[in-house]
Order: sequence, then structure tokens, then C-alpha cells
Amino acid sequence: EAGVTQFPSHSVIEKGQTVTLRCDPISGHDNLYWYRRVMGKEIKFLLHFVKESKQDESGMPNNRFLAERTGGTYSTLKVQPAELEDSGVYFCASSRGANEKLFFGSGTQLSVL
Amino acid sequence: DQQVKQNSPSLSVQEGRISILNCDYTNSMFDYFLWYKKYPAEGPTFLISISSIKDKNEDGRFTVFLNKSAKHLSLHIVPSQPGDSAVYFCASTGTASKLTFGTGTRLQVTL
Repeated sequence: EAGVTQFPSHSVIEKGQTVTLRCDPISGHDNLYWYRRVMGKEIKFLLHFVKESKQDESGMPNNRFLAERTGGTYSTLKVQPAELEDSGVYFCASSRGANEKLFFGSGTQLSVL
Repeated sequence: DQQVKQNSPSLSVQEGRISILNCDYTNSMFDYFLWYKKYPAEGPTFLISISSIKDKNEDGRFTVFLNKSAKHLSLHIVPSQPGDSAVYFCASTGTASKLTFGTGTRLQVTL
């Protein structure tokens, strides 16, 4: 069984540009989460999808971040326009049920210069 | 305001000895606690968990202890092995399914 897949693994962009991160959860997992780790700090929750619906987006930093999960399969996280403080590692995780074990992807290392 | 704190950014332990990683939390609504392990360039992987109704959970070399009155949990690894070298994150959850993580402790197991 394939794990959670994230693409790209690394992205280097300039301030003001747009970047789109993609996450493919484990097949059959209705719950999909985005987390972010900035500069060696804690891993912070961004948002939670149940199928295609946003269950909780309380961790989204601001309206420059847009997450979608059309069709309830893969998800994208777009940052537009990117700022320096958006640099960090963006992790996606999925689970079958809302209170079940999370499986994390390897993350996307985003560097905004 | 950090609700889950790991005050030791790093820990070095000799192979075969016990590793003790600590975590403190402030939110009394947390009722489930987890430890995740992370190798470089990989995502966190689940290691062990404990419910607030218990004070100890053991899985092989790994044991998690929970002290609810002190809002403190710890992970014991014994005996420590070189392959245990990684960053360990403590995480907690309450009624919501989202996890609140600490900043991580880097464990180095030396030969």
C-alpha cells in the first residue's frame, strides 16, 4: 500500500511568487491534514479535510493560503503571494477515521527568498 | 502560546542505556497523547500513544508515562539503539482530531 505522497519535495521561489503543493493521501483515507514546521519549531496544524469538505481551517495563517480537495482525493495547498515567513516544511497527513492514527508524508521543503 | 512543550532540544545517550524524553502540556482538555519519531527528510511516524485514563503504556522497548496532575509525560527507550537516533515529537489532542505538537527533541544514541 502506497503511503502519503507529497510533491514537490523541495521548492525554492522568490517572494511574491505563487507555489502549489500537492498531497496524495493513502487510498481510502477520508481525513486529510496539512501541517507546517517553520525553522525547527513545533509542527503546527493548518487544516483538516473530511473528504472534500474543510472540517477545520483554524490553523491557516492568512488568506494567502488556499487549500482544496476537489473530489475528496488529492489535495493542493497554494500560497499566493509567498512571503519570506512562509518558508518551512509543509507536511500532509491522512487517516481513515478522524481519531485514528495519522500517516505523514515526507513533506515539502519550501524556501521563499 | 505553546500548549505542548519539549524543553530539551537535544539529548545524547550511550547505546544500551535508557533514553528519557520529556514533555509538558498546559491544556487540561487534552485527553490523548502521542509520540512521533522523525528521521531527516522523512515525515513523522507514529511511535506510541497513551490515553488520559492510563498512566503507563508499554510497547517493546518504548514506554510512555503520563502524570496528569503534573501535566507531564515522558517517553522511555530501553535499551537505546543507534537506530533510535531521530527527532522525537510529543503531541496531544482533545475533542478535535487535530494534533498539537511540541518542538521536538533530537536524540543521539552513541556507540
